[in-house]
Parts: sequence; C-alpha cells; structure tokens
Amino acid sequence: GAVVSQHPSWVICKSGTSVKIECRSLDFQATTMFWYRQFPKQSLMLMATSNEGSKATYEQGVEKDKFLINHASLTLSTLTVTSAHPEDSSFYICSAKVETQYFGPGTRLLVL
Amino acid sequence: GESVGLHLPTLSVQEGDNSIINCAYSNSASDYFIWYKQESGKGPQFIIDIRSNMDKRQGQRVTVLLNKTVKHLSLQIAATQPGDSAVYFCAETFDNDMRFGAGTRLTVKP
Repeated sequence: GAVVSQHPSWVICKSGTSVKIECRSLDFQATTMFWYRQFPKQSLMLMATSNEGSKATYEQGVEKDKFLINHASLTLSTLTVTSAHPEDSSFYICSAKVETQYFGPGTRLLVL
Repeated sequence: GESVGLHLPTLSVQEGDNSIINCAYSNSASDYFIWYKQESGKGPQFIIDIRSNMDKRQGQRVTVLLNKTVKHLSLQIAATQPGDSAVYFCAETFDNDMRFGAGTRLTVKP
C-alpha cells in the first residue's frame, strides 16, 4: 500500500516552454501532497505543500508564479514549471501524506 | 532556522557487517522521525519511523534509536547487504512540517 506515482519520469524541453508533472496516490487518498526539488548529491528541498481544494503553500524563495501547483482531487497533484530555464533542471519529487510521507519515484527535468 | 544534520556524509562497510548511520536534530519539539533510503535516480523509500515517546523501534534488519536528551537519531542495519547501498536521509517532523537532513551515502563492499 501507499504507492505514489509520478509522470513523466523524465522530460527534456527547450528553454521557455512549460512542463507539467503529475503526482498520483494510487491506493489511498491524500489531502496533502508535497513537492520537493533535489540537486545532485544534495538533500531534498521542500518547495511547496499542496492541499486538496485550496491554494498551495510555498516555501520561502520559491516563486509561486513559476511553479504552479494544482491539487484538484484527493489523488492527484500537478506541478507546472512555467517558462522553464536551464537552471530549473533538477529532480522533482512529490510525496503524499497518510500518517507519514510516501514518495513518488521522481521526475528528472532537463531544460536545454 | 532549526535543522536536521548528519554526522557522517559517507559510510563504507563490509558486506555482512552492521551499519550505523547517525543524525543530529536541533528542534527539541520534533515529535516524529523517519529514515528514508534513496537509491540513485529514485525517490526516497520509507524504511522505519519512530515517535518521540519511544526510544527504540525495530524492523526487519533495521533498528532506529532515538535519544532525546542529546537530540540524536540513529539507524542500525544488521548484516548489511550490497542492496543496502544508497543514500540514507533522516527526517524530523513537527506540526506537520517535515525537514530532511543532508544524507549519508552508504557503500557496501563485497
């Protein structure tokens, strides 16, 4: 139980385009999902907390207009990186909470 | 702000030996702690957790110890196997806010 999926697993895009990443809880409902970013050989950095039916709460320094989060249902949250640039290239990981946090497999984004 | 940190960034052990990964935390109000394992290119995988009202919890081949007096958390892996090679993160939670430590890379030598 407590399986979280992400789609796509990797994406390559041109600078200036927008990329949407989906996070789904497959066998449970999650009122709260989290989005993290991880650079090579570093720890996970929390970007935002996504609550179903309400606006996401962003961490300090994370641009909410650049990283759009939508949590439309209890099993789906999406992160859209708008007008992506090479510095947005990273490993993006979501998690869903049911007592503890269970993580998705991550999405590797490469912006050329 | 307060943070979770690790004593050792890397740990190399012989296959079959026991491994101990340490973590120091600074928020004395944290009430829930988790150890995650992250293999290369994958998301973190839940290993074991412990609440602040406990000082020890055992799982399959893993044990987590919590010392609230010195704000220290450790993960013990018995009979370490090559498949245990990964980065291990501790995380502390307070008031629904979870923060990760820097991570320790465990390498198991055959």
